[in-house]
Amino acid sequence: SQQGEEDPQALSIQEGENATMNCSYKTSINNLQWYRQNSGRGLVHLILIRSNEREKHSGRLRVTLDTSKKSSSLLITASRAADTASYFCATDWDSNYQLIWGAGTKLIIKP
Amino acid sequence: NAGVTQTPKFQVLKTGQSMTLQCAQDMNHNSMYWYRQDPGMGLRLIYYSASEGTTDKGEVPNGYNVSRLNKREFSLRLESAAPSQTSVYFCASSEPGQPFYGYTFGSGTRLTVV
Repeated sequence: SQQGEEDPQALSIQEGENATMNCSYKTSINNLQWYRQNSGRGLVHLILIRSNEREKHSGRLRVTLDTSKKSSSLLITASRAADTASYFCATDWDSNYQLIWGAGTKLIIKP
Repeated sequence: NAGVTQTPKFQVLKTGQSMTLQCAQDMNHNSMYWYRQDPGMGLRLIYYSASEGTTDKGEVPNGYNVSRLNKREFSLRLESAAPSQTSVYFCASSEPGQPFYGYTFGSGTRLTVV
C-alpha cells in the first residue's frame, strides 16, 4: 500500500479548543491536500498547499508543510461541533491521477 | 448545484449478481476516478480516466470494469459481485496538471454483497 500516515488516529476535544492533526508522507510531492469527511458522506476538499509553500490559511484552518521532514499539519482553531468529522491528507507527486491518501484522523468535538 | 452525482446511494446484491454504478459530473473536468473506502483502509483507487476515451487501472482493479461514456459520465461495473466487494464507493473528478486544485467527490454508494 502507498498510504500516507496521519496521527493521531482519533482526537476528542472540547468545543472552542484548537485541534491539530498531522500527516507524514514518503516521497517528494507537488501538492498536499486536506479533505474532510462527515459521517456517511463524501469527501470535501478543504485546502491545498503546494510544495513551495510553507503555510496557508483558509478561515479557521491553518496548514503547514515541512518538505524537509516530509510532514504537514492541519490546525483548526476555535473548534465547533460541526467540525466533527474525519480528516484526510492526500499527496500527489508524479501525477495527480493517483493521489496517496492517509488513513485519516477522526475528530470529535464535544459540546 | 455543480458537482459529482452518484447513483444509486445504496445497493444490496447477492453473490454473483452484476450491477453498474453511475457517476456524472457537471464541472467540465477532464479526469474522473472511482475509489472504494473500507474501514481502517482509507481510500483505494480502483480505476481512473485521465481524459475522455482513456481508462487506467488503479491500486485495486480486479473484479471491476469501467466505461468513460463521455466527458461527463464514468461508470463502474461489477460483473460478478463478491462479498469482498462490500464497501462504500466514491466517484471523483478533477482537472489534471498544474496548478492543481484537488478532487471533487460524489456522496458515495454503499454496496453490500451477501
